Amino acid sequence: DAGVTQSPTHLIKTRGQHVTLRCSPISGHKSVSWYQQVLGQGPQFIFQYYEKEERGRGNFPDRFSARQFPNYSSELNVNALLLGDSALYLCASSSTGGPHNEQFFGPGTRLTVL
Amino acid sequence: AQKVTQAQTEISVVEKEDVTLDCVYETRDTTYYLFWYKQPPSGELVFLIRRNSFDEQNEISGRYSWNFQKSTSSFNFTITASQVVDSAVYFCALSEDTGFQKLVFGTGTRLLVSP
Repeated sequence: DAGVTQSPTHLIKTRGQHVTLRCSPISGHKSVSWYQQVLGQGPQFIFQYYEKEERGRGNFPDRFSARQFPNYSSELNVNALLLGDSALYLCASSSTGGPHNEQFFGPGTRLTVL
Repeated sequence: AQKVTQAQTEISVVEKEDVTLDCVYETRDTTYYLFWYKQPPSGELVFLIRRNSFDEQNEISGRYSWNFQKSTSSFNFTITASQVVDSAVYFCALSEDTGFQKLVFGTGTRLLVSP
């Protein structure tokens, strides 16, 4: 079975631009979460979506938004990019989305903002 | 507030040595979940184990073992007879029983196993 997939793998943008990152969960998983991992740090929670609704949001500005589609895939959008948005963006899926569920992570999208 | 501390930034060992990675957590909840993930150079986080706050039994899986002690708020991870393939960054994470899924990660411990 395929794991979590993310696209693109790498992305280079300039300050002020907008970016869209995509994620496809493991087949049968209804929950998708997004994390930002800055170099040398642990991942930080951005959003969780379950059954197409936002379940939880981390401490990120409104420039960050996301959505989940009927097939449970998800997009993360970041507007007005800042240099500090440069990071590895990780998507994770889980079966039911409860806090006890293990999350399975994709390979990430590495975003560089120049 | 929830917090995870991994005080060891980097550990270097020689193959076949045993190594323990420390994890200390803070939470006000009585129900919570603890996780360990491995992040190899490829970047993808690999799930290793989950423990809930009501289960303090230690667990062994092959060369891996975990020691959960609520009295000291610790959830330590030991690799026995380390191998070069164990080289990675290891993250401990905490999830509170908030109704949604949010992992709070520590800063990770980089393990370097040399031949």
